[in-house]
Amino acid sequence: NAGVTQTPKFRILKIGQSMTLQCTQDMNHNYMYWYRQDPGMGLKLIYYSVGAGITDKGEVPNGYNVSRSTTEDFPLRLELAAPSQTSVYFCASSYPPGSYEQYFGPGTRLTVT
Amino acid sequence: ILNVEQSPQSLHVQEGDSTNFTCSFPSSNFYALHWYRWETAKSPEALFVMTLNGDEKKKGQISATLNTKEGYSYLYIKGSQPEDSATYLCAPQAAGNKLTFGGGTRVLVKP
Repeated sequence: NAGVTQTPKFRILKIGQSMTLQCTQDMNHNYMYWYRQDPGMGLKLIYYSVGAGITDKGEVPNGYNVSRSTTEDFPLRLELAAPSQTSVYFCASSYPPGSYEQYFGPGTRLTVT
Repeated sequence: ILNVEQSPQSLHVQEGDSTNFTCSFPSSNFYALHWYRWETAKSPEALFVMTLNGDEKKKGQISATLNTKEGYSYLYIKGSQPEDSATYLCAPQAAGNKLTFGGGTRVLVKP
């Protein structure tokens, strides 16, 4: 199993541009998550999904959108990039339900200038 | 939004010494408490998922305890090694397996 994979690894965007961060998992996990890493603040939940076709907002959803058309894929869309979205983005998945650990992807480092 | 506090923010430990640090969280609406180990330039990896009051978990020289009534968890590293250098994150779990992460404790083990 490849686990959780994310593309791209790095990206530089100009203010106002759009992009999609890709996330795929091959563990047949129903639950998937997007986090951003804020310095000194740990990880903040952006959006999550409990299964194909179901998504919900986390702590910091503004400026982002997600979709979940398949169990494997959970892309994160930035429509109008802003400097405040400069961060490292992590995708994760877990096996539901119950108290199961989350498996994290390698991260995407995004810079908006 | 839960308020999850980890202390200290960072600590330096001499190789071979033991150390511990704290995670504090609201004790209401509690499902589980997760600990993750996060090495620089890598992604977080799960250490423990703890659910019961008084629960204790151990992996090698790393162990954790949980007090759900008062809302805290301790993580212990016995005989620290340089490879234990990492940021340790705790995260209480709410409904839907949603985690709220603390800011982390950054541990640096000096040879």
